[in-house]
Amino acid sequence: EAGVVQSPRYKIIEKKQPVAFWCNPISGHNTLYWYLQNLGQGPELLIRYENEEAVDDSQLPKDRFSAERLKGVDSTLKIQPAELGDSAVYLCASSPRSGMDTQYFGPGTRLTVL
Amino acid sequence: AQSVAQPEDQVNVAEGNPLTVKCTYSVSGNPYLFWYVQYPNRGLQFLLKYITGDNLVKGSYGFEAEFNKSQTSFHLKKPSALVSDSALYFCAVRPNQAGTALIFGKGTTLSVSS
Repeated sequence: EAGVVQSPRYKIIEKKQPVAFWCNPISGHNTLYWYLQNLGQGPELLIRYENEEAVDDSQLPKDRFSAERLKGVDSTLKIQPAELGDSAVYLCASSPRSGMDTQYFGPGTRLTVL
Repeated sequence: AQSVAQPEDQVNVAEGNPLTVKCTYSVSGNPYLFWYVQYPNRGLQFLLKYITGDNLVKGSYGFEAEFNKSQTSFHLKKPSALVSDSALYFCAVRPNQAGTALIFGKGTTLSVSS
C-alpha cells in the first residue's frame, strides 16, 4: 500500500513569490492534515480536512496561506506571498477518520525562502 | 494550556544498553498518546499508541512505552538499543475531545553508539 505522497520534496524560492505544495493521502483515508515543522520543533497543525471540508483551520494564517481539497482526495497548500519566516518543512498526514485513528505522515516538503 | 514536554533534547546510549526517552503531558481528560520517529529527510513514522487498557504498549522495532496516569507520563523504552535506532523521536498527545489535533513535543534526538 502506498503511503502519503508529497511533492515537491524541496523548494527554494525568493521572498514574495508564490509556492504550492501537493499531497496525496493514503487511499481511503478521509481525514487529511497539513502540519508545519520548524527547525528543532515538533509539527504544528495548520489545517485539517474531513473529506473536502476544512473542519479546523484556526492555525492557518489566512492572509497568505490557503488550502483546498476539492474532491476529498488530494490537497494543495499555497503560500502567497512567501516570507522569510515561512522557511520550514510542510508535512501532510492522513488517517481513516479523525479521532483515535493513527495519523500517517508523508516525507514533507522542505521550503527555503531567500 | 495543553502541552507535551520532552525534557531531554538528546539521549546518548551505547548499543545493547536499554534506552528511555521521556515524555510528560499536560492535557485535560484521558488523552490518546503516540510516539513517532523521524529519520533525516524523512517524514514521521508511527511507532506506537496508547488509547486505553494495559499501561504497557508494544510497538514497532521492539519499542514499548509505559503510560503512567498519576505522573502524566508516557516514556518510550527499548531493552536493547541498536545503532539504527539513532533518530529524532516525537511524543504526541491527542486530547480526548472530538475534532482536536495532535499536540507534539519538541522531539528528542537519540544517539546510539557502537
